[in-house]
Amino acid sequence: GAVVSQHPSWVICKSGTSVKIECRSLDFQATTMFWYRQFPKQSLMLMATSNEGSKATYEQGVEKDKFLINHASLTLSTLTVTSAHPEDSSFYICSAATGTSGYEQYFGPGTRLTVT
Amino acid sequence: DAKTTQPTSMDCAEGRAANLPCNHSTISGNEYVYWYRQIHSQGPQYIIHGLKNNETNEMASLIITEDRKSSTLILPHATLRDTAVYYCIVRVLNNNDMRFGAGTRLTVKP
Repeated sequence: GAVVSQHPSWVICKSGTSVKIECRSLDFQATTMFWYRQFPKQSLMLMATSNEGSKATYEQGVEKDKFLINHASLTLSTLTVTSAHPEDSSFYICSAATGTSGYEQYFGPGTRLTVT
Repeated sequence: DAKTTQPTSMDCAEGRAANLPCNHSTISGNEYVYWYRQIHSQGPQYIIHGLKNNETNEMASLIITEDRKSSTLILPHATLRDTAVYYCIVRVLNNNDMRFGAGTRLTVKP
């Protein structure tokens, strides 16, 4: 089956620093990738949608200058949390879909970010 | 996309069938019913999907009512590893924009 990986699986950083999270589709080409955020005991919240080679579309309330998304290739998307603060501590999950995947969206294992 | 309503939590005895209901009374004719689950601290896992016919795969069965306003996910023989949050989502096929509700926290007990 289609596999999506994320790196790192967990990261601890100091307040004010930036953190980059990678999302890769290992055995298929992903024309669209999604980034979600999940706070403890809450559901996944869609942050942004990115299509390869174009700018990401951000959900209302998500700061595009703080959460930089790059989808430079069909197998890689990155999320950079700039000037991270403790309230950015969360579980970040990416997913990937092909143009013809239709019913399935393949999710990564998630990255737990802790900002101290 | 139509909204869904699921019970907050459910318990199930190990080895018994787990029946997870979902209401989607405002579902449109071209919207499918999808089920995903999320085991603690992992990404969501696809389970099954359907339009109007009942569906079965190696993981579960999906029963959709004739009026399509509700559905039930059935795990025929629940194991402890099925403990997870189960999400029912309705969306148009080929629309990859997926919105998660609160889901049902299923706890399988020995």
